[in-house]
Amino acid sequence: GESVGLHLPTLSVQEGDNSIINCAYSNSASDYFIWYKQESGKGPQFIIDIRSNMDKRQGQRVTVLLNKTVKHLSLQIAATQPGDSAVYFCAENNFGNEKLTFGTGTRLTIIP
Amino acid sequence: DSGVTQTPKHLITATGQRVTLRCSPRSGDLSVYWYQQSLDQGLQFLIQYYNGEERAKGNILERFSAQQFPDLHSELNLSSLELGDSALYFCASSVEVYRETQYFGPGTRLLVL
Repeated sequence: GESVGLHLPTLSVQEGDNSIINCAYSNSASDYFIWYKQESGKGPQFIIDIRSNMDKRQGQRVTVLLNKTVKHLSLQIAATQPGDSAVYFCAENNFGNEKLTFGTGTRLTIIP
Repeated sequence: DSGVTQTPKHLITATGQRVTLRCSPRSGDLSVYWYQQSLDQGLQFLIQYYNGEERAKGNILERFSAQQFPDLHSELNLSSLELGDSALYFCASSVEVYRETQYFGPGTRLLVL
């Protein structure tokens, strides 16, 4: 069956450094991917998305990379700040499947 | 603020009871999704409605049901509650279906004692 997983459950990064959060997916038909950020006690917040016709997409301080060959997705956060501390989820979707499938999440901790 | 509202924010109840969670989607969004998030767990998709009709079902128990009303707000009904139903319940909405960004509400924290 389809699944979306994260390589690391926790990640600690020094403030100001860049962080990379990885995500693997198994469904080769997946064609839409989203990264969400969830702070403690809050709902998931949309960060950035990417469609399968792209390899890279940039936002403000964030970049998502998609490698369809190895079915891998990553979220890069530049110059991390204390406010970046949260759990990050990747989610995937494919045409004909109306639900997003979420990964288990990576907890990012920013060390002052 | 995503524009999705959920009430109540917190709910404490006893086993065997029934509760109703309410969600108002963002203005203009036709699709509503319900998710369950247990402690330190990922988001488990429960059910989706689009313009009043059920569109997709996930891991939703038979004790749970939902509906979407003509004004597009949605309710999730949880009955015969068990301790294991304690979790965060999120509602999300999107404009359409298929490859659409879902915007999440703040969630309802349910505690079953």
